[in-house]
Amino acid sequence: AQTVTQSQPEMSVQEAETVTLSCTYDTSESDYYLFWYKQPPSRQMILVIRQEAYKQQNATENRFSVNFQKAAKSFSLKISDSQLGDAAMYFCAYWGTYSGGGADGLTFGKGTHLIIQP
Amino acid sequence: DSGVTQTPKHLITATGQRVTLRCSPRSGDLSVYWYQQSLDQGLQFLIQYYNGEERAKGNILERFSAQQFPDLHSELNLSSLELGDSALYFCASSERTGPLYEQYFGPGTRLTVT
Repeated sequence: AQTVTQSQPEMSVQEAETVTLSCTYDTSESDYYLFWYKQPPSRQMILVIRQEAYKQQNATENRFSVNFQKAAKSFSLKISDSQLGDAAMYFCAYWGTYSGGGADGLTFGKGTHLIIQP
Repeated sequence: DSGVTQTPKHLITATGQRVTLRCSPRSGDLSVYWYQQSLDQGLQFLIQYYNGEERAKGNILERFSAQQFPDLHSELNLSSLELGDSALYFCASSERTGPLYEQYFGPGTRLTVT
């Protein structure tokens, strides 16, 4: 079974600074997808960024970028120019292409609580 | 607003009871996923339906069941409730099935079992 580990229960960063959230995963599959989701105090789950494992180029979405290291099974999220609205729980998630016939749901890490200091 | 609606927002019930949670996917989405978020277990995938058919099962207990109706809304039935079933239950929908299709999450139903 795949596992996703987020080793930082909580991170704090000054507004306008850069912060990196860590995520590692364990899988025997070669083709899969990785995601970062944001859960603000409203509890709504929002997709931040997605990375396909077969793509070597790291995904970027505005101030959010990832550092995907396939051999190391590492998938970190970098948030640049942190804003107060970035304060939330961030979940790393995995979806294997062939797990359960390719139709399983997401496997989530335990989450990192990101605090933005004004 | 993701376009996915869930009712009720909050539910308080006693142990041993049965409840039904409802989810209406985004217009046009054929796939519905159910997730449970609890302090103990974190976020867990429970079950997926695609166009009315069960597609995949995750860590869903035998006391729990779900279905997707012809109008594509879905219901999650939880029976013989235990204190440990207290959690936030999310429904998510996507256009088709598979990781290429973004899952849009509803606001969740907060279940409290007393």
